[in-house]
Amino acid sequence: NAGVTQTPKFQVLKTGQSMTLQCAQDMNHNSMYWYRQDPGMGLRLIYYSASEGTTDKGEVPNGYNVSRLNKREFSLRLESAAPSQTSVYFCASTETRDGYTFGSGTRLTVV
Amino acid sequence: EDQVTQSPEALRLQEGESSSLNCSYTVSGLRGLFWYRQDPGKGPEFLFTLYSAGEEKEKERLKATLTKKESFLHITAPKPEDSATYLCAVQAGGGYQKVTFGTGTKLQVIP
Repeated sequence: NAGVTQTPKFQVLKTGQSMTLQCAQDMNHNSMYWYRQDPGMGLRLIYYSASEGTTDKGEVPNGYNVSRLNKREFSLRLESAAPSQTSVYFCASTETRDGYTFGSGTRLTVV
Repeated sequence: EDQVTQSPEALRLQEGESSSLNCSYTVSGLRGLFWYRQDPGKGPEFLFTLYSAGEEKEKERLKATLTKKESFLHITAPKPEDSATYLCAVQAGGGYQKVTFGTGTKLQVIP
């Protein structure tokens, strides 16, 4: 039972480059989320998708776009990476009022 | 604005030395309070959801309690494998699926 799978696990980008972070879940969850985690700060919501076909902005959406490809997959795109986007990115999913299932994260460094 | 404050930031315990972690919150209409465990280099792992003041939940050596202003995570006779960062999060009522995370308490249990 894989849960939430994120790829890649590590990435180094140059300022201005673009990339897509991939996330897939095999639990048939409707809701999926993208968070970033920075030292000294709590997890912050970037975008979420309450169900297939819908996406909405979270707290810190600037510089990011998302695609809910199908019920399983939710990708996060950085169109023009900036050093301020250096962070650890987590994808999560849930079906109920209970807590989220998180992936293992993507550690992104922008130089 | 919803706020979550966790204390202490770090806690060092001897194996078998019981203690409590605190999560103070302000939120407009609490929908749920969540506790997660996060190991280094991994995503948060869901532990508990508490929905109303007075509620308690237990799992092995962990017990979570909730009042109208704070939650406690009690750790009874901890073992070294309980070492991790413990995150608290709150979800407010309303349609927006906003969950606010605290910055965590880093627990170290020494043999």
